[in-house]
Amino acid sequence: QKEVEQNSGPLSVPEGAIASLNCTYSDRGSQSFFWYRQYSGKSPELIMSIYSNGDKEDGRFTAQLNKASQYVSLLIRDSQPSDSATYLCAVNTDGSSNTGKLIFGQGTTLQVKP
Amino acid sequence: EAQVTQNPRYLITVTGKKLTVTCSQNMNHEYMSWYRQDPGLGLRQIYYSMNVEVTDKGDVPEGYKVSRKEKRNFPLILESPSPNQTSLYFCATADRGGQPQHFGDGTRLSIL
Repeated sequence: QKEVEQNSGPLSVPEGAIASLNCTYSDRGSQSFFWYRQYSGKSPELIMSIYSNGDKEDGRFTAQLNKASQYVSLLIRDSQPSDSATYLCAVNTDGSSNTGKLIFGQGTTLQVKP
Repeated sequence: EAQVTQNPRYLITVTGKKLTVTCSQNMNHEYMSWYRQDPGLGLRQIYYSMNVEVTDKGDVPEGYKVSRKEKRNFPLILESPSPNQTSLYFCATADRGGQPQHFGDGTRLSIL
């Protein structure tokens, strides 16, 4: 059974701090990794995608991927109360077959306190 | 405006009464899929479709059917709903390659 694991939280950080969200996955053949943000009662919204080892930055968000350790993380700098949401890690587990099948983690709830 | 439209948004019904949740997209995406989201279990894929007339099972297909007769539509059918299908359902689409996926607003189903 291919798995994606996240700590459900809640992760609580003060406004302006760096929030660090972590995700591990079991399938070594995984090639594509995504972070979605989901506000309460809303649908998941894609915020970052990463395909190769290293860091990828987009504004206040940085995704980090380490395929050897089967680990992907999301850093949110200068956290704002509006960042309070559940963050879902998603991993494509089909390798080169490219069927698009995603496995989602349970999500980490982030609370940013003013 | 790029949209994934699900209907209905909310439905309360009874065990055994067939229902269909529609999903329509205006982005000409090849890939469409259905997920259910339950507390503590995250998002789980029910069925997905790579293109017209091409569908396959996800992780939790039991009790569900789908069809893909047109590229823009991917309805989810519950032939004989049961209470354990009470959940929040999302339709998602993607262009060729199936990723990343873009989600509809969700359908909350309650089966009594």
